[in-house]
Amino acid sequence: QKEVEQDPGPLSVPEGAIVSLNCTYSNSAFQYFMWYRQYSRKGPELLMYTYSSGNKEDGRFTAQVDKSSKYISLFIRDSQPSDSATYLCAIDNTDKLIFGTGTRLQVFP
Amino acid sequence: IAGITQAPTSQILAAGRRMTLRCTQDMRHNAMYWYRQDLGLGLRLIHYSNTAGTTGKGEVPDGYSVSRANTDDFPLTLASAVPSQTSVYFCASSESRNTGELFFGEGSRLTVL
Repeated sequence: QKEVEQDPGPLSVPEGAIVSLNCTYSNSAFQYFMWYRQYSRKGPELLMYTYSSGNKEDGRFTAQVDKSSKYISLFIRDSQPSDSATYLCAIDNTDKLIFGTGTRLQVFP
Repeated sequence: IAGITQAPTSQILAAGRRMTLRCTQDMRHNAMYWYRQDLGLGLRLIHYSNTAGTTGKGEVPDGYSVSRANTDDFPLTLASAVPSQTSVYFCASSESRNTGELFFGEGSRLTVL
């Protein structure tokens, strides 16, 4: 079993839609969870960083961690064409980051 | 603009040739990393450096070597390139090894024929 698994996508939604991106992980000891956003032909950039369980909100973005299910989510409200990118979940395993394979999101006008 | 600079942006080279991908950061970060990104496989760590003068192996180190002579530079060398090393390579840095926020460069697209 992979340490972190991510829905492959691609996901195509209309502008204004609510987007849900998800990852599952295998080790219940993981504590730090991140979402990176990667635009085409660019490097990933940190979008959200959460510790342990619960929600964290930043503008239109909400990161959610459910440790009981070992499930992390990123919600995007009022999605915009500029949100079109690949979103990678990442888990901080103390001495290394474990990345999901990424979900490609396309928001069309 | 502060950040990570990678060179070259793109390169095509023949199998068997030696290639060095350059990476420079100006954030005075202690830790630096090299990842390769392949479709369906995501980002995989090749080598890392916790601080100048030290390096370590990541998930897929075979065929690659690195050096960290100073804080700012972290070159990645392919001694004898093979087609399976065709990939997009990303250099990244972080303040220390145990922080989750990595700063990535723009990537180097390498094609080995």
